[in-house]
Order: sequence, then C-alpha cells, then structure tokens
Amino acid sequence: DTAVSQTPKYLVTQMGNDKSIKCEQNLGHDTMYWYKQDSKKFLKIMFSYNNKELIINETVPNRFSPKSPDKAHLNLHINSLELGDSAVYFCASSHHNPLVGSTDTQYFGPGTRLTVL
Amino acid sequence: AQKVTQAQTEISVVEKEDVTLDCVYETRDTTYYLFWYKQPPSGELVFLIRRNSFDEQNEISGRYSWNFQKSTSSFNFTITASQVVDSAVYFCALSEALNRGSTLGRLYFGRGTQLTVWP
Repeated sequence: DTAVSQTPKYLVTQMGNDKSIKCEQNLGHDTMYWYKQDSKKFLKIMFSYNNKELIINETVPNRFSPKSPDKAHLNLHINSLELGDSAVYFCASSHHNPLVGSTDTQYFGPGTRLTVL
Repeated sequence: AQKVTQAQTEISVVEKEDVTLDCVYETRDTTYYLFWYKQPPSGELVFLIRRNSFDEQNEISGRYSWNFQKSTSSFNFTITASQVVDSAVYFCALSEALNRGSTLGRLYFGRGTQLTVWP
C-alpha cells in the first residue's frame, strides 16, 4: 500500500505547454508539500498546505499553482513550461502537532521527473 | 545563510569499511528537529531518522548510528560495515519547531553526500 503517491512518474513535454502533477497520501496527514530537486540534487520547498490552507509559498514563479481539493490531495499545475522547470518534483506529507508547534516526519512520494524540451 | 551543511560532497569506500557522513546545522531556535533521508539510485527519498533537540542520546539501528552533539551543532551519521546497497545520496535536514505559520513544517535540506560503496 503506497503511502504517498504521485502521477505521473515521468513527464516529457514541450516548452510553453501546461501540465499537472497529482499527489495523494493515505496516511491521514493534514499537511502536504511540494519540493523541487534540481539537477545538482538540491531539494527546496515550494509550497505547503495545512488542512487545505496554503501555508508556505516560496519564491516560486506564479506559473506554478498548487491546489488542494482535500487533505489527502495536493496537485501542482504548471503553466507555460520553461526549460528551467526541468527537475524532479517531490510531494510529501506529515502531521502537524499544534500543541507543541512541531511537525512530524515528512514522508515523500516517489517523485515526478519533469523534462521540458 | 545555509541552515544545514554537508561538507562532504562525495565519499567512496570499499565494502565492509565504516563511513561517517557529517552534518552541521544552524538555528536560533531552542526546539528543532533533525532528520536523515536516503536517496538510492532509484530516486525515492527514504526516511531514516528524526531526532528532537532535547534528546542528545546517540541512536543505533542495525549498522546505522547517529551522533547528535548540540555543543558543535552536528548530527553525524555512521554506517558500520558498509555494503554496496548503502550506495546512495544521503541528506541531512532541519525543521524548526516554533509555532509560526510561515515556517510550519519547513524542512531545510543540506546539499547531500553521495556515498559510493565498492565491492
């Protein structure tokens, strides 16, 4: 049983296209994230949602728009794809403990390798 | 300023050698969490350990052990008797635990250490 799943695993597309990546978690977590891993393997957070509310919105071009229809899903839509968007995108989820202000371990999906030609 | 530094970009060892991966972090918070993740060649990110700032006990799990030292802001990871299957990129990460909305759950990753274990 997959805990955090992403589709598709590979995405090859032309510059200028619009594409979406879907993420689902069955861990009962209330917080979900998108990370981008560049060609040098550096991982950086893009967005996070807690109970469907946008919490973290890093300095990401507004061509990237996350959408959380419910706590178990966080999708990433990218408009007008550019060469520099080529990367591996990881979805993650965790549980936030408001009593202590902490966030539990983040579990990651398998990643989506996006290649923009 | 980088919050997590993994100074070793690449390490190569021969099977059965012990290897230590270094991680140094920086934070002003008194409550924080440290993590190690493994990224094998297949690409997924595998959680290895989570440690909170109030628990400085070293941890051992099979061939893996972790040494947390607040005095030097380090959280090093040792693999004993390394095996070829240990070849992967290992990431150290920090999460600050203050209950501020904009930092909720934010994980700061180091740049990773590529470990290659040769047979």
